[in-house]
Amino acid sequence: EAQVTQNPRYLITVTGKKLTVTCSQNMNHEYMSWYRQDPGLGLRQIYYSMNVEVTDKGDVPEGYKVSRKEKRNFPLILESPSPNQTSLYFCASRAGGDYEQYFGPGTRLTVT
Amino acid sequence: AQSVTQLDSQVPVFEEAPVELRCNYSSSVSVYLFWYVQYPNQGLQLLLKYLSGSTLVESINGFEAEFNKSQTSFHLRKPSVHISDTAEYFCAVGGNAGNMLTFGGGTRLMVKP
Repeated sequence: EAQVTQNPRYLITVTGKKLTVTCSQNMNHEYMSWYRQDPGLGLRQIYYSMNVEVTDKGDVPEGYKVSRKEKRNFPLILESPSPNQTSLYFCASRAGGDYEQYFGPGTRLTVT
Repeated sequence: AQSVTQLDSQVPVFEEAPVELRCNYSSSVSVYLFWYVQYPNQGLQLLLKYLSGSTLVESINGFEAEFNKSQTSFHLRKPSVHISDTAEYFCAVGGNAGNMLTFGGGTRLMVKP
């Protein structure tokens, strides 16, 4: 089954404790991206990647890091999480010649 | 730069009534327009998309949207809603670098019996 997976689905952590949210897709897609969803703001793009070792900032990159060492994986790293990063996070991917994005199930992160 | 405005944060409607969810966008490049639906506690699913060609696009579950370039709009309509249509709907525009999507703030459709 073609899908985007994220882990963990739920995470509660404390300020300053480094964490990584993993994202993996099995569709051989070139493009991958991370969004955060906040009430009333819709989804805002954090980072995106157009291929292995090619990443770029989205609209709200502060406080986040990403890497793309393999085509299928695109982890999101919070080096020192803060409470304002409490949010619902989505990973998405798409093929190079297509415009439809496929979304993962989401990761709900709470930083206390 | 691109932006998307969904004018209504919540739309309550009775079952079997028609509904329109409004979406306006701004972009300096050619646009591709999308509606995504998010059911409670789930991820986003593509509902319909406009890439080119006919300005009226339809989904398999009775929704339709019309691309209006002069009004920079992509409103979503359904002539008769069901309880199961209760969800949050997001309008999005693509066409920027990397063609990642810019989303509107979402409209919560609440269908009442």
